[in-house]
Amino acid sequence: QQQVKQSPQSLIVQKGGISIINCAYENTAFDYFPWYQQFPGKGPALLIAIRPDVSEKKEGRFTISFNKSAKQFSLHIMDSQPGDSATYFCAARTRSGNTGKLIFGQGTTLQVKP
Amino acid sequence: EAGVTQSPTHLIKTRGQQATLRCSPISGHTSVYWYQQALGLGLQFLLWYDEGEERNRGNFPPRFSGRQFPNYSSELNVNALELEDSALYLCASSQDHNQPQHFGDGTRLSIL
Repeated sequence: QQQVKQSPQSLIVQKGGISIINCAYENTAFDYFPWYQQFPGKGPALLIAIRPDVSEKKEGRFTISFNKSAKQFSLHIMDSQPGDSATYFCAARTRSGNTGKLIFGQGTTLQVKP
Repeated sequence: EAGVTQSPTHLIKTRGQQATLRCSPISGHTSVYWYQQALGLGLQFLLWYDEGEERNRGNFPPRFSGRQFPNYSSELNVNALELEDSALYLCASSQDHNQPQHFGDGTRLSIL
């Protein structure tokens, strides 16, 4: 019940296309859902995050869609660029961060072809 | 503003030895978290320190331990190193446990 399942494992998109990464969870105590971007040799960088009281959040080319009833959320990268090529992780945290821990999906390696 | 800094960048040890990894949080952040990123296993939560106290630990054996100092920096100690401890160890910090976690670039620990 503590898992976050992420798909696909890898994704190849043409420049200018839309990249979509999906995550699903079981634990209804999760109330914070961030996405992280990780480049080789670097730590994960916070990209965008959402709470269950909203269905969508947009920051620039990045959008999180959240479906509370289905317990699913997804990251959309519009107008994907070669510089977006990285590994993306979704994560979840329990209510008010009272355990401190983020539970991560297994990651999606995105390659954007020029 | 300086981000989370970790040292050393790389650490090579042999089985049975002990390793110490260090982390300096972002200025003003009081919570420090440690994660292990092993190949094929994703990011796994190790430890959470806040105000100098261990608040939570993940499903790791007791030979993984750490502490947080009065200046909020932290160190992770791994005793009796095993081959499967080879991984990238990431430190994150946040203003408090309700705020987003920001990661450093990690320490790559290799066990020979």
